[in-house]
Formats: sequence, C-alpha cells, structure tokens
Amino acid sequence: EVQLLESGGGLVQPGGSLRLSCAASGFTFSNYAMSWVRQAPGKGLERVSLISVTSSTYYADSVKGRLTISRDNSKNTLYLQMNSLRAEDTAVYYCAKGDEEMATLTPLNYWGQGTLVTVSS
Amino acid sequence: DIVMTQSPDSLAVSLGERATINCKSSQSVLYRSNNKNYLAWYQQKPGQPPKLLIYWASTRESGVPDRFSGSGSGTDFTLTISSLQAEDVAVYYCQQYYSTPPGTFGQGTTVEIK
Repeated sequence: EVQLLESGGGLVQPGGSLRLSCAASGFTFSNYAMSWVRQAPGKGLERVSLISVTSSTYYADSVKGRLTISRDNSKNTLYLQMNSLRAEDTAVYYCAKGDEEMATLTPLNYWGQGTLVTVSS
Repeated sequence: DIVMTQSPDSLAVSLGERATINCKSSQSVLYRSNNKNYLAWYQQKPGQPPKLLIYWASTRESGVPDRFSGSGSGTDFTLTISSLQAEDVAVYYCQQYYSTPPGTFGQGTTVEIK
C-alpha cells in the first residue's frame, strides 16, 4: 500500500525557515517523480515544486529562489526547504507521487494528508 | 506558463442528473509525438487530499466509477458525471502536466446537490 506521510509544518514568522519532510512507503521511491502541492485556506491547488527521478527540479515562479525540493532515495524521503517565508506561503502542503514510473510529465496518483504551514507574526 | 480555466466556478445538480465541467488551457496540451493529451482531473472532498479521477484526458483511474468520464483534446476538455450521486459532492480540478514549471491546475469547480 502506498503511503505518504508529511511532517514539519507549523507556525513560523515572516522571513523564517521551515523544512518539510515526506516519508514514502509501498513503492520504489527512486523510480517516481515527486511533487509538493499547496493549498491556501479556502483556495485552490498550486503545484509548487517537482523533482524527477534524476533529481532535476522545477519550481513555480511564486516560490523560485526561496523553496528547494530534494529527495533522499536511501531514506525514501522527499524534502522541501522553505526559506524567506511570506504570509502568502500559508497553506497545507501536500506531498504527491507521480503516476508513471520514471516519467516527469505524469499526473499525481497518490497524495499525503498534508501538513499545515502558517506564516504569521 | 499554461493557464487552466475552468467553468463554471460552481454548479448545483439534482441527484441522478448529469454534471458537466469544462476546462480550457491557454495552449494545447496535446503531444503530437504520442497523440496524448496531458490533462488530468481530480476530485477533492472537504478535509481530504485530492484524488486522481482521469488522466490522458479520458482514461479513468483504477476504481473510479464509470459515471465519471473525460473528453476533449488540444485546449478544450470536459469532465462529465453522468448521474450525480450524493458522494460526488466535491471540488473538481483539471491539471495540465504537459509542461514544467510544475503543471498548473484550474481554479476548481464546486459541485453541489440541488
């Protein structure tokens, strides 16, 4: 059974940093692209970052230069380092798995339950 | 970046009736080399993460009821719920995965019971 478990969310002041983790199980983690998708309270979905199986990374313009996605295949874990946080980064952050093995351009077929990040003074 | 626009923003449908949601992309998401549309539909119920319903514009994910269907090509797509059930009340999102930066979502369409 595929499981994705996010952690690391919480309250942080504007300008602060946070590191999110996503522990994956139930599939060969290294063979799938992974993404972070966020959802501000009462709003829609925004895919903020993607990392391919070769560790190529992609970012939405809204987070470029502030958020860094990475993966540790030996630990089956996905990360999101969040720096210079702003109020508008407040959201639930979901970890999501790509559907097709080895593919970068693929839909997201499994999602975690999400972790809430609140940026406020 | 490709912009995805859904219509309507919300709709109310009677139980057993058809619900239709449209999604338009600002540029084609059809890959000529494999003739596939890089378009997915997701369902999100309150307090839950999104769930993949449809990919390649018209392929149902395993376990998704056949009352859900996707159609369209190029820039115009439709999600149809042929006979609305109470458990289908949710927000529905289209998403293009044709290009990076990370594939963009539509703004969502809320489906309610009339």
